[in-house]
Amino acid sequence: AQKVTQAQTEISVVEKEDVTLDCVYETRDTTYYLFWYKQPPSGELVFLIRRNSFDEQNEISGRYSWNFQKSTSSFNFTITASQVVDSAVYFCALSEAYAGNNRKLIWGLGTSLAVNP
Amino acid sequence: DGGITQSPKYLFRKEGQNVTLSCEQNLNHDAMYWYRQDPGQGLRLIYYSQIVNDFQKGDIAEGYSVSREKKESFPLTVTSAQKNPTAFYLCASSRGDTNQPQHFGDGTRLSIL
Repeated sequence: AQKVTQAQTEISVVEKEDVTLDCVYETRDTTYYLFWYKQPPSGELVFLIRRNSFDEQNEISGRYSWNFQKSTSSFNFTITASQVVDSAVYFCALSEAYAGNNRKLIWGLGTSLAVNP
Repeated sequence: DGGITQSPKYLFRKEGQNVTLSCEQNLNHDAMYWYRQDPGQGLRLIYYSQIVNDFQKGDIAEGYSVSREKKESFPLTVTSAQKNPTAFYLCASSRGDTNQPQHFGDGTRLSIL
């Protein structure tokens, strides 16, 4: 069965620290997509990145970077030099490419990140 | 600006009352979704629609109803059959199916009076 596990429920860091949010997934499919979303205190979810299962290259966007490893079924998210504005709940999600009419996003439970000044 | 508009931001429901949450998008997206978020439980899918005049139940559809008469609009009705409606409700849309990124509204917080 498909599943997304974000083992870290809450993380607290001091500003300028680096922090890594873990995401481990389970799927029987060979073609799938992985996502990260950010939910700031205001409530709306903001899309951060999508990665398909055939692209294992790591990605960097400013202070954000993502490490996709199929061998360990992980898609971890690192924030470098964290800032107070990074405080949010971060969700990892999985979509299988060939799930037919029952296709939907499988969401992790989220990791709440608090960056303290 | 293109986006998704949810209204109202806060809503209160009396016992036995149906309430409707509005969701409108001007992104020209085909697919729309309703999620419920409770503390510590992440997002749970209520209903989704991939095309006008068609919608599918999600994981927790009981006590809810939707319609999709227009591409831009996907209202959610919380019926009196939903015994525990207090939650944060999020509407989303995407270009096609779930392989595409979903864009979210600001949410509606529903409480029981």
